[in-house]
Amino acid sequence: RKEVEQDPGPFNVPEGATVAFNCTYSNSASQSFFWYRQDCRKEPKLLMSVYSSGNEDGRFTAQLNRASQYISLLIRDSKLSDSATYLCVVPGRGGSQGNLIFGKGTKLSVKP
Amino acid sequence: EPEVTQTPSHQVTQMGQEVILRCVPISNHLYFYWYRQILGQKVEFLVSFYNNEISEKSEIFDDQFSVERPDGSNFTLKIRSTKLEDSAMYFCASSETGYNQPQHFGDGTRLSIL
Repeated sequence: RKEVEQDPGPFNVPEGATVAFNCTYSNSASQSFFWYRQDCRKEPKLLMSVYSSGNEDGRFTAQLNRASQYISLLIRDSKLSDSATYLCVVPGRGGSQGNLIFGKGTKLSVKP
Repeated sequence: EPEVTQTPSHQVTQMGQEVILRCVPISNHLYFYWYRQILGQKVEFLVSFYNNEISEKSEIFDDQFSVERPDGSNFTLKIRSTKLEDSAMYFCASSETGYNQPQHFGDGTRLSIL
């Protein structure tokens, strides 16, 4: 299994739709997980941290299934401004200083 | 909201030259990182830095690369003898503590090697 694997998309959805992204990871010892969003040619911006079974922030819900080594991100009531690439991020195996392993990202395009 | 700042935003350099990319991490953060992203590819870890020394580095971070914290605020990445394949976005990040903590990214330096 790859360290972090995501469906590349693109996901093309209308405004108001609910969309879900999936991510699998290989390091069973990982204790924390992150979703970042990245706009074209911009820096990754932290969207959500996940430390236990899940997290919810407004329209965004992240769920973690440790047994299956699977994380999901659900976006409800999609807005045009949600169009971006969503990056699943997991701490690396080796050290204790926190290098992050990024997935290739899932591209979302919200249409009017 | 405090942020990580990077300069320059775009650097164009002839192959074989040396470049220095600069970063000012968030002031109360203790862990600093460099990542790169080649166009169309994923973000890749280069190096982490804590307590004035490298704490971890990837296979990409070979002798061509070095990092330094020359004063209390700046954190630099030096790339010697640049190659065409060094062309990428370079992101600096910082976190308050290390493992299991989110990292906050600067807006990047686009490095173009000619």
